[in-house]
Amino acid sequence: QVQLVQSGAEVKKPGASVKVSCKASGYTFISYGISWVRQAPGQGLEWMGWISVYNGNTNYAQKLQGRVTMNTDTSTSTAYMELRSLRSDDTAVYYCARVMGATNFVDYWGQGTLVTVSS
Amino acid sequence: DIQVTQSPSSVSASVGDRVTISCRASQGISSWLAWYQQKPGKAPNLLIYAASSLQTGVPSRFSGSGSGTDFTLTISSLQPEDFATYYCQQANSFPTFGQGTRLEIK
Repeated sequence: QVQLVQSGAEVKKPGASVKVSCKASGYTFISYGISWVRQAPGQGLEWMGWISVYNGNTNYAQKLQGRVTMNTDTSTSTAYMELRSLRSDDTAVYYCARVMGATNFVDYWGQGTLVTVSS
Repeated sequence: DIQVTQSPSSVSASVGDRVTISCRASQGISSWLAWYQQKPGKAPNLLIYAASSLQTGVPSRFSGSGSGTDFTLTISSLQPEDFATYYCQQANSFPTFGQGTRLEIK
């Protein structure tokens, strides 16, 4: 069965960086894109961006441009999302999700990784 | 970015009721719309994609309709496990989500 398993919770200080991993199993990793979505405490869902596992192309949310990097390691079927220059409003649960074909719909989600930014 | 606005922001209903949730896009998005269900502390779950296609494994009491700018999610007969928050998502351009509709027990 399709599974996306994310790395554990992180606590970071303002200005630091965080890198969240997402290990995929149960499907051909290179055949699907990966998107990242975050959710601040008690708030709605925010799309952060997308990466094509096939060719590495990315599309990031304009508000995160310059601070976010998404990449993948096809040898381990793992996707990564790094966010730099962390601020308190980056505190959120970060989700990876598998993209359905050539769409922006996502059909499988990781369990989420809580990133807390606090001094 | 294309904005999507959900209504209502919350709704109270009873088991067995029929419930509809609406989503309006700020410009036409054809059928590039999905609906997700999220329960507390869990990742969202895809219910409907391409406005009206039921995701595999989702009960048939869930249905979606609409195209262009106006879309609807309908739950035909509420079950206890359906009380959750629902989000629409436009997938026409850079994806954006609605603000969510919280479905509560009356």
